[in-house]
Amino acid sequence: DVKVTQSSRYLVKRTGEKVFLECVQDMDHENMFWYRQDPGLGLRLIYFSYDVKMKEKGDIPEGYSVSREKKERFSLILESASTNQTSMYLCASSLGRAPNTQYFGPGTRLTVL
Amino acid sequence: GNSVTQMEGPVTLSEEAFLTINCTYTATGYPSLFWYVQYPGEGLQLLLKATKADDKGSNKGFEATYRKETTSFHLEKGSVQVSDSAVYFCALNYGGSQGNLIFGKGTKLSVKP
Repeated sequence: DVKVTQSSRYLVKRTGEKVFLECVQDMDHENMFWYRQDPGLGLRLIYFSYDVKMKEKGDIPEGYSVSREKKERFSLILESASTNQTSMYLCASSLGRAPNTQYFGPGTRLTVL
Repeated sequence: GNSVTQMEGPVTLSEEAFLTINCTYTATGYPSLFWYVQYPGEGLQLLLKATKADDKGSNKGFEATYRKETTSFHLEKGSVQVSDSAVYFCALNYGGSQGNLIFGKGTKLSVKP
C-alpha cells in the first residue's frame, strides 16, 4: 500500500511566523502535490512537483513556496503566515504515468492566530 | 476548459437507502475519472476509478460507469450504511505525465440509522 505521511495533524502558529509542512511518500512516486481545502471551495492546488528540484505553480501559489530536495519529500513553506492561510492542507503523490491516481496524506489542519 | 460538476449536498439518507451522486465532466480527449472519499478528519482516499469509456469502477459496494456519450460518472450504491457518511469527490485526470486532477466541489453524505 502507498503511504503518504504529513508531519503534523494539527498545527497552531502566529501571524508572521514561517511555517513548514512536510510530506513524505514511500512509493517512489515522481509527482507530488499540495492542496488546501476550505469549506465551499473544495480542493485547490497550491503547487506540484514532477521531479526532484522541479516545481510548478498551481491555482493559488501566492504566499506559499515549496521545496523538493529528495524524491520522497515535498515541503510546503508559508514564508509569513497570515490568518487567511488557516486551512486544511493535503499532500498527495502519484506515479508519472496514466491514470495518475493520486494518493493522499491524512492532512494538516493549520490555524494561524 | 476541463471541469467537473457534481451535485451539491448535503445528502441525507436512511440506512439501506439507494444512493446516487451525480457527476458530469467537460474535457478534451479521453480523461480518466475517479471518485475519492473523505471521512471526517481524514485525507482523501481513492474509492474507485475508470480509465476509458464504458469502464465500470467498483469498490466497497459503490459503482460508477464512465459514460462518454453523456460525459458522466455517477456514483451509486444499492444500500448505504451509517459508516458511508463522508464527503465524496469526483475528479478527472486530463492526461500527461504530470497527472494533475481536477476535482468537483464535493458532496457530503449523511446516513441516519
